[in-house]
Amino acid sequence: DTGVSQNPRHKITKRGQNVTFRCDPISEHNRLYWYRQTLGQGPEFLTYFQNEAQLEKSRLLSDRFSAERPKGSFSTLEIQRTEQGDSAMYLCASSSTGNSGNTIYFGEGSWLTVV
Amino acid sequence: AQSVAQPEDQVNVAEGNPLTVKCTYSVSGNPYLFWYVQYPNRGLQFLLKYITGDNLVKGSYGFEAEFNKSQTSFHLKKPSALVSDSALYFCAFVGERDDKIIFGKGTRLHILP
Repeated sequence: DTGVSQNPRHKITKRGQNVTFRCDPISEHNRLYWYRQTLGQGPEFLTYFQNEAQLEKSRLLSDRFSAERPKGSFSTLEIQRTEQGDSAMYLCASSSTGNSGNTIYFGEGSWLTVV
Repeated sequence: AQSVAQPEDQVNVAEGNPLTVKCTYSVSGNPYLFWYVQYPNRGLQFLLKYITGDNLVKGSYGFEAEFNKSQTSFHLKKPSALVSDSALYFCAFVGERDDKIIFGKGTRLHILP
């Protein structure tokens, strides 16, 4: 068990550029979640997958945000035409299914700075 | 709307003293309640959870939490604080028919040497 892995850990980009973050969940976990956290706030839910199916995406912040999990393993979160307000830490998490009380395990996060 | 509230932005405790970080919930049905800790520039680490059963839940690093249904609270406690406990603590819940975890705004814990 190597834990949830996120890459890159830090990204600095110019406003208007596209960025993509990758998440590799714990290997036997079929649920994968994306959250955003800004300074001084708790993590904010964005979207989640069960295997390759995206079960909820209504919380994605705008149509510039999209997430995929094409083979039910790793996932990517893409932000198009970045804005300074997108600067935040993007957290990925995973869990097994079967019980809503299953523990959700987080990665170390990907910091985005838009300049 | 369902939520958890952490009424204190910051808690200061002297090393060796007991600590409490407060959390109250407003969740219908039987909530699943969690505590996570976040160290600077790191992700969230799971501490403990309440699903059902004993109201007193023991977790990692000597932390425990008590589920109190009448007061709708789930306060985090530790009998003797360490300087290394200084971090940001988040209370969270999963609704009975939901799959995603929702967080409070966090409480910064400072343990003073």
